Amino acid sequence: DTEVTQTPKHLVMGMTNKKSLKCEQHMGHRAMYWYKQKAKKPPELMFVYSYEKLSINESVPSRFSPECPNSSLLNLHLHALQPEDSALYLCASSQDGVFRGDSPLHFGNGTRLTVT
Amino acid sequence: SQQGEEDPQALSIQEGENATMNCSYKTSINNLQWYRQNSGRGLVHLILIRSNEREKHSGRLRVTLDTSKKSSSLLITASRAADTASYFCATGTNTGNQFYFGTGTSLTVIP
Repeated sequence: DTEVTQTPKHLVMGMTNKKSLKCEQHMGHRAMYWYKQKAKKPPELMFVYSYEKLSINESVPSRFSPECPNSSLLNLHLHALQPEDSALYLCASSQDGVFRGDSPLHFGNGTRLTVT
Repeated sequence: SQQGEEDPQALSIQEGENATMNCSYKTSINNLQWYRQNSGRGLVHLILIRSNEREKHSGRLRVTLDTSKKSSSLLITASRAADTASYFCATGTNTGNQFYFGTGTSLTVIP
């Protein structure tokens, strides 16, 4: 079992739907991340929050909207997605706030998203 | 892309044999980490090696780092069927809050 909890595990949505992915950690970690992973590919960094502030946005389309309501929670709001956005969405956290790769990432098991 | 590359892309060995996978990266790093991913699951951290270290051990894992060649290797000794997974290297940069994964090696250990 992982200490980072992601819900839902699976999500099917139409291109006109609005949905949200949720991520929660209670390890007191100061940085939280969203990654996108296509089949047989490595995870691709999308967003990084450090001390609840958005630190990195890797040129992600605006149909993906992250939110960090508090230090334990991370959301990813989805709207008007395309079929090519279907992927495994992984949330991770790390102890360091200003992350310099000195502490490991702790991953959730992901949300398998299918856009129809 | 700052993504690193790993080789081989896929590796199939018999149980008990050793498995070696290599990672090359492009930018200066603070350190390099290795992760394992079982099918359809999240990634699990295996080991971290800092830029001023050349070799590190953890159980059956041995990691080397050559910053002059911008490369690292992961050796799994006495492999087990449970080691079957994808393995990714990941680099932490000096600029902070950026953490990029290599292309990955799919390891199959045949019982």
